[in-house]
Parts: sequence; C-alpha cells; structure tokens
Amino acid sequence: GAGVSQSPSNKVTEKGKDVELRCDPISGHTALYWYRQSLGQGLEFLIYFQGNSAPDKSGLPSDRFSAERTGGSVSTLTIQRTQQEDSAVYLCASSLAQVQASPLHFGNGTRLTVT
Amino acid sequence: KNQVEQSPQSLIILEGKNCTLQCNYTVSPFSNLRWYKQDTGRGPVSLTIMTFSENTKSNGRYTATLDADTKQSSLHITASQLSDSASYICVVSGGNAGNMLTFGGGTRLMVKP
Repeated sequence: GAGVSQSPSNKVTEKGKDVELRCDPISGHTALYWYRQSLGQGLEFLIYFQGNSAPDKSGLPSDRFSAERTGGSVSTLTIQRTQQEDSAVYLCASSLAQVQASPLHFGNGTRLTVT
Repeated sequence: KNQVEQSPQSLIILEGKNCTLQCNYTVSPFSNLRWYKQDTGRGPVSLTIMTFSENTKSNGRYTATLDADTKQSSLHITASQLSDSASYICVVSGGNAGNMLTFGGGTRLMVKP
C-alpha cells in the first residue's frame, strides 16, 4: 500500500526565499509529525497534529516556520525568509490515532539546501 | 527533563558478527519504547515497539530487550549482514508533552565484508 509521501524530494533555494514542503500521510492516519534532521544528527521535533485538536507547535525553532494540515490529511510546512541554518532533511511521519500503540510511518524526507 | 541516550554513537563490525546497541532513558511517565532503522537517505522504519510489560521482542535477526526498572533497552543484531548498515534510533513514548515522543541521537552501524 501507499506509504507517506513527501515532495519535493530535494529543494535548493536562495537565502531569504520562502519554501513549502508537502506531506501526504497514510490514509486514515490522524496523527502527523514534522521533524528536522541535520547532517549526521538526530531527529528534531517540529510540530505535531492530532485529528482536530490544536497542533503542538512547541518544536518550531522560530516564527519563520509554520505548518498547516488541511482536511485532516495533507500537511504543508512553510519556511519563510530561509536561512542557511535551515538546510536539513525535513521528515514527515504519520500514525494511527492511538499514538501510544502505533508505530510512526516516515516519508523519505525533503532535503532542503539554502544557498 | 525527558532524555534518551544511545551508545555507542558509531560501531563497525564484520559481516556475520553479532552486536548490541544500548538505549537509556529518563522519560516519565513511560508508555512504550521503539527501535527504528534508518538507511542513508531514507526515513526511519519501525523495528519493534515494547510496552512496560514486555521484556523482549524479536523481529527476524533483531531482538530488543527492555528493563523498565533500570530504564534501559538494548537492540541485538544477530549474524549481521551488509544491509544492516544504517542508523538505529531509540524512541521513547511518554512524558507530558503533547507529542509524547523523545528521540535518541542514534547509533550508526557499519557492517563490513
């Protein structure tokens, strides 16, 4: 079956430009996460959506970062006025409603390079 | 503070050998512990999930153990293969944050022929 799909797979942008990263979760998964992974580093939590509840935005590093999830399915992570330190792989994951018992299913990420 | 520490940071072994990766955590309250495998350029893939009452769980050549009293887990890989070369990530579910997942920094395993 279809897994978590992320697009684009690679994005190169100039410093100061805005970028949008897209995540299509597995159908029926109500929980959706965004993580950031810098080269050789662990995963850094960014934001978490669970159904119709208010998202947990506690991991967003600055107000240049925002995310939305339309219709409880597709999610978009937006980075405004990109900086070189934003260069990383951005991973999206989804899981069934019961987070405690369900594994996360990750996409293959979007590799963002800010020049 | 909820933390997950993994050791070693990196490991090189010969094909066919066994190895054990460690994970210590301080997440409270505890819900479950997960091990993920992340191949280069790919997203992590779930290997095992263990709840408080489970001491061991296997997935093929991967066996995870959990000691909830000492807050330690290990991932044992038997008869390693070249395809086992990857990062292995320990993730603990629990705590009071909304997202409830704390990630370790991973162990980078390289299996050489």
